[in-house]
Amino acid sequence: AQKVTQAQTEISVVEKEDVTLDCVYETRDTTYYLFWYKQPPSGELVFLIRRNSFDEQNEISGRYSWNFQKSTSSFNFTITASQVVDSAVYFCALSENDGNNRLAFGKGNQVVVIP
Amino acid sequence: DAGVTQSPTHLIKTRGQQVTLRCSPISGHKSVSWYQQVLGQGPQFIFQYYEKEERGRGNFPDRFSARQFPNYSSELNVNALLLGDSALYLCASSLEVEADTQYFGPGTRLTVL
Repeated sequence: AQKVTQAQTEISVVEKEDVTLDCVYETRDTTYYLFWYKQPPSGELVFLIRRNSFDEQNEISGRYSWNFQKSTSSFNFTITASQVVDSAVYFCALSENDGNNRLAFGKGNQVVVIP
Repeated sequence: DAGVTQSPTHLIKTRGQQVTLRCSPISGHKSVSWYQQVLGQGPQFIFQYYEKEERGRGNFPDRFSARQFPNYSSELNVNALLLGDSALYLCASSLEVEADTQYFGPGTRLTVL
């Protein structure tokens, strides 16, 4: 069974600081997909990034970057130079290659950016 | 292009009643999935439909059912509502049945009194 753990519950940072969110996952599949979603107070889940298990290259997209390490089953996410608009709940999610698109979510990280 | 739409936005029901939630996917998307999000938790997978066929079911009782229509829109039905069914119900759509990014709608907030 797939499982996603996000250990930190609430993280507060001062504007312009960097914030890193940790995600650890469990899966028996060799092919799987990892995602980060953002949920602002409005409630809608907004897709941020996706990484396939066969591609461990880490990238930067604007102020977002991620660190995918299969050896430690981790998929960490960093927001650089945080802004107040980044205040939201961030979810890490895992999808296995098993014939459907089922997402297993972690419990989420509440990020509060203080101006 | 319009994103995923859901209706209604909010709903209040009493225990034992039945409710129907509706979802329209992004144009061209053939897969619709439903998730339940209880306050303070991550979303939990309920169903996935692709080309009108059920392709996945989460660990939810038979009181929960869904269907997908020829235009790929979908309905989620919950019978015999319990207080514990109070949650945000999220719909997501994707192009493909698997290995594809899902895009979520704004959700329907259901309150059961």
